[in-house]
Amino acid sequence: GDSVTQMEGPVTLSEEAFLTINCTYTATGYPSLFWYVQYPGEGLQLLLKATKADDKGSNKGFEATYRKETTSFHLEKGSVQVSDSAVYFCALGERYGQNFVFGPGTRLSVLP
Amino acid sequence: DAGVIQSPRHEVTEMGQEVTLRCKPISGHNSLFWYRQTMMRGLELLIYFNNNVPIDDSGMPEDRFSAKMPNASFSTLKIQPSEPRDSAVYFCASSDAGRQGTQYFGPGTRLLVL
Repeated sequence: GDSVTQMEGPVTLSEEAFLTINCTYTATGYPSLFWYVQYPGEGLQLLLKATKADDKGSNKGFEATYRKETTSFHLEKGSVQVSDSAVYFCALGERYGQNFVFGPGTRLSVLP
Repeated sequence: DAGVIQSPRHEVTEMGQEVTLRCKPISGHNSLFWYRQTMMRGLELLIYFNNNVPIDDSGMPEDRFSAKMPNASFSTLKIQPSEPRDSAVYFCASSDAGRQGTQYFGPGTRLLVL
């Protein structure tokens, strides 16, 4: 069945460091891929998405590229800020199976 | 535009009491989801509605939980009777592209059952 695997957290970085959060997926068809972010005490917010292979989603300095050959959608940011501290969820939406699956989430803490 | 609206934002109740959580999806969205989030179990899908009809309720924990969607702009999640293990944050989300599309989340209801 469809599934999403993320790197285990927590991830702790200093401000201005480079961020990578790994995400790989298993899907029966050709899913859309998403990154959501959850700030403390809030609901999940869509951060970025990509709907087909080689698409790059980007928002607020974050980027992720849909890699079909490696079934990956890694999240990257060149210079993190303290305000980026949150939990990040990778997810897929699969049209043929009518399915939406979230990964377990990765907690990021950015220290000043 | 208004996002997904949930009420109440916080609820504290005693074991055995009935709890009703409410959700107003984004106007025009035809899919609605209820999730539960805890530290131990993470984010769990409880039930999914499409065009006001429950499509998948396999995540509903037990008969104490029930959900309704009487119209396109309102849904409820009821727990009766509530138990301390039901303490969690409950999120409602909606989508205009079915189950596989982008989901937009509400702020959540933080439930504490004493």
